[in-house]
Amino acid sequence: EIVLTQSPGTLSLSPGERATLSCRASQTVGSTYLAWYQQKPGQAPRLLIFGASSRATGIPDRFSGSGSGTDFILTISRLEPEDFAVYYCQQYGNSPQTFGQGTKLEIK
Amino acid sequence: QVQLVQSGAEVKKPGASVKVSCKASGYTFNGYYMHWVRQAPGQGLEWMGRINPNSGGTNYAQKFQGRVTMTRDTSISTVYMELTSLRSDDTAVYYCARVVSTTQLPILNYWGQGTLVTVSS
Repeated sequence: EIVLTQSPGTLSLSPGERATLSCRASQTVGSTYLAWYQQKPGQAPRLLIFGASSRATGIPDRFSGSGSGTDFILTISRLEPEDFAVYYCQQYGNSPQTFGQGTKLEIK
Repeated sequence: QVQLVQSGAEVKKPGASVKVSCKASGYTFNGYYMHWVRQAPGQGLEWMGRINPNSGGTNYAQKFQGRVTMTRDTSISTVYMELTSLRSDDTAVYYCARVVSTTQLPILNYWGQGTLVTVSS
């Protein structure tokens, strides 16, 4: 199965700054079938990005995704207070689908 | 609007079984695959498997083969996940999650509220 490694484990930034989160796959992810989810404490995950770069319905345009092959990036252009959360990548191009271990985005 | 409402928290002893339900509303139940994902305390997300509500067909993660069974009752738009031979490391929040579109790609756009299953003697 494909192992997804997210970095950094924790990212400390201030509101208004730019966040760059990485997701690296152990093998090529077929058809750029990669998604990003945001999870806040006590809540279910929320879909942000699918197909590596397509925003889900209702997701602000400060969230963007890029990448292909084995390397993917989630960028948050200007952090809002509500963006501090844990972010997971998921690949669904190869069975079984797998998730990364998460990046915690915390307020500096 | 799409809603997935899960059953309440459970406390089980090691070796027991648990069955979690997920009642769907606001869309055509048969049209979208449902997945189950779990999250141990303070840990990441782990995919368990999925069910096709139309046919009842299932696919399970290898890790759970032989211990997990996913079923559905179309008359009440509900899917179920049963996990047997529970161990302490099965303590987790269990989520049902619906795919975003009828392509059935496992892009999970709608999630239940989660069900905490605690396994403790």
